[in-house]
Amino acid sequence: RKEVEQDPGPFNVPEGATVAFNCTYSNSASQSFFWYRQDCRKEPKLLMSVYSSGNEDGRFTAQLNRASQYISLLIRDSKLSDSATYLCVVRLIRQRRALTFGSGTRLQVQP
Amino acid sequence: ETGVTQTPRHLVMGMTNKKSLKCEQHLGHNAMYWYKQSAKKPLELMFVYNFKEQTENNSVPSRFSPECPNSSHLFLHLHTLQPEDSALYLCASSQERGGNEQFFGPGTRLTVL
Repeated sequence: RKEVEQDPGPFNVPEGATVAFNCTYSNSASQSFFWYRQDCRKEPKLLMSVYSSGNEDGRFTAQLNRASQYISLLIRDSKLSDSATYLCVVRLIRQRRALTFGSGTRLQVQP
Repeated sequence: ETGVTQTPRHLVMGMTNKKSLKCEQHLGHNAMYWYKQSAKKPLELMFVYNFKEQTENNSVPSRFSPECPNSSHLFLHLHTLQPEDSALYLCASSQERGGNEQFFGPGTRLTVL
């Protein structure tokens, strides 16, 4: 079983749509959670950290469910510029800095 | 200078060549990382350096040899690679304490013939 599992997509949505991605992680010792964004042929960049209480940043909302070991990302009012691959990332307690990445979910927002 | 730079951006090498990838970070971070990203696979952590000391080697074959002369520079020396080593090699850095965010360089796209 993969440590971090994501639906690869692609998710094709029209501009203005709301889209949600889920991610599951296998290790209950996972301590920190993030969503990174990676544009085509570019490096990953941090989109947002995911906190236990859930958090929101503009059109983006991230939630964590420790009991079920999944993380979600909700994007409201999708823009063309949101088209990218969204990487779910976790950090284990025993690995102070190393991150474990999912394969990513590709989003394509269409006009 | 942008945060994390990598050179070269593209590299084509034969299986018997020796080459090196270079990474430099201008963010004052103490931890640096090498990741490998192959097509349709997640990023795989290769090495972690903290204050110039290697703290993790993720079972990487010895044909990849990292070097960290100081907290700002990281190298990946390549020798006798295989075609399956063709991938995007990404360098990242972060603060040793506090913030978890890792900042990535643009990567070196490596092709082994």
